[in-house]
Amino acid sequence: GDSVTQMEGPVTLSEEAFLTINCTYTATGYPSLFWYVQYPGEGLQLLLKATKADDKGSNKGFEATYRKETTSFHLEKGSVQVSDSAVYFCALSAQAGTALIFGKGTTLSVSS
Amino acid sequence: DTAVSQTPKYLVTQMGNDKSIKCEQNLGHDTMYWYKQDSKKFLKIMFSYNNKELIINETVPNRFSPKSPDKAHLNLHINSLELGDSAVYFCASSQNDRDTGELFFGEGSRLTVL
Repeated sequence: GDSVTQMEGPVTLSEEAFLTINCTYTATGYPSLFWYVQYPGEGLQLLLKATKADDKGSNKGFEATYRKETTSFHLEKGSVQVSDSAVYFCALSAQAGTALIFGKGTTLSVSS
Repeated sequence: DTAVSQTPKYLVTQMGNDKSIKCEQNLGHDTMYWYKQDSKKFLKIMFSYNNKELIINETVPNRFSPKSPDKAHLNLHINSLELGDSAVYFCASSQNDRDTGELFFGEGSRLTVL
């Protein structure tokens, strides 16, 4: 079945470090891909999305490119801040009308 | 105004009890969801309603019964609570049943079963 695999956390970085969180997927067809972020004590928020191959989603300094050849959607940020500390979820929607499938989440902790 | 609101935020109860969680969205969305997040942060879809009609019903024990009185509300009732039901339950909504990737989440309801 369709699935999302994320790198295990936690990821611990110093402020201004470069961030990569790996995400790969398995899906039939052409899924849409998403990154969600969950700050402590809050619900998830959509961070960025890409709906077709080679699309790049970006928001708040975060970027991810939909790579069909490697079935990946890695999240990157050039310079993280303490306020980026959160749990990041990669997710896919296999086709319109099907429920979003989430990866297991990666906890990011940024220290000053 | 909170877009998706859930009550209660915290719920502590004994095994065997029955409890309900309520959810309301003021976004004018047609579709609402319940997700369960376990202690390892893993999120799994439980149910989805579109305009008060059940459209997704994952493999969930029948002790869990969702109800949608109108498209702005989706409640979750749980009978005969078990220890394994302890989790954070998230309500979410999307504009319609096609845009299932762009979800708006509530803050979650943390259920602890003792």
